[in-house]
Amino acid sequence: DTAVSQTPKYLVTQMGNDKSIKCEQNLGHDTMYWYKQDSKKFLKIMFSYNNKELIINETVPNRFSPKSPDKAHLNLHINSLELGDSAVYFCASSLGRAAYEQYFGPGTRLTVT
Amino acid sequence: AQSVAQPEDQVNVAEGNPLTVKCTYSVSGNPYLFWYVQYPNRGLQFLLKYITGDNLVKGSYGFEAEFNKSQTSFHLKKPSALVSDSALYFCAVRDRGNTGKLIFGQGTTLQVKP
Repeated sequence: DTAVSQTPKYLVTQMGNDKSIKCEQNLGHDTMYWYKQDSKKFLKIMFSYNNKELIINETVPNRFSPKSPDKAHLNLHINSLELGDSAVYFCASSLGRAAYEQYFGPGTRLTVT
Repeated sequence: AQSVAQPEDQVNVAEGNPLTVKCTYSVSGNPYLFWYVQYPNRGLQFLLKYITGDNLVKGSYGFEAEFNKSQTSFHLKKPSALVSDSALYFCAVRDRGNTGKLIFGQGTTLQVKP
């Protein structure tokens, strides 16, 4: 009965490769997010979708492309991976965008070698 | 711009003692404030939030937070710390606009020693 799930949990790949991370929520929420947590544990929003519409697109290299096939899924595709992309990526969801708390997935640890 | 600051990188407390993890904020308008906890190799878990109303907010696992508008603070507290409370704690504020974007503090590591 996992609320927000991500796959894979770990991802090790070489520079220049293309990879995807998948996120699914079964909470019936209409808003989903991608965050990046760096090695110093600092958290920063990358993207957000509300009802499949992109509403947040922070200053992120265009090698990163989110895709929301439906309200329950938000995937993250990364092209031409670089060493600096190594981080933990978290998916989250919330019921609306106003005062609602966000529920986070377990994270995907991406290591680029 | 909206921001939050957690002035302590680490807080150490003995089990059974009260704990406080500090957070100050800078926002225009009324703040929506949140506390999250992250255990090692896990995602963030929501603890509590302040939107409006009573300045003392109660949350999960016996935690509470006090909203202080004059001091622009939203400190997290617990009357009696447990070793299992040891984790990384994040304060966050909702950004202006209607995107739901959260701006996180840099995090405070809480270490509770037996």
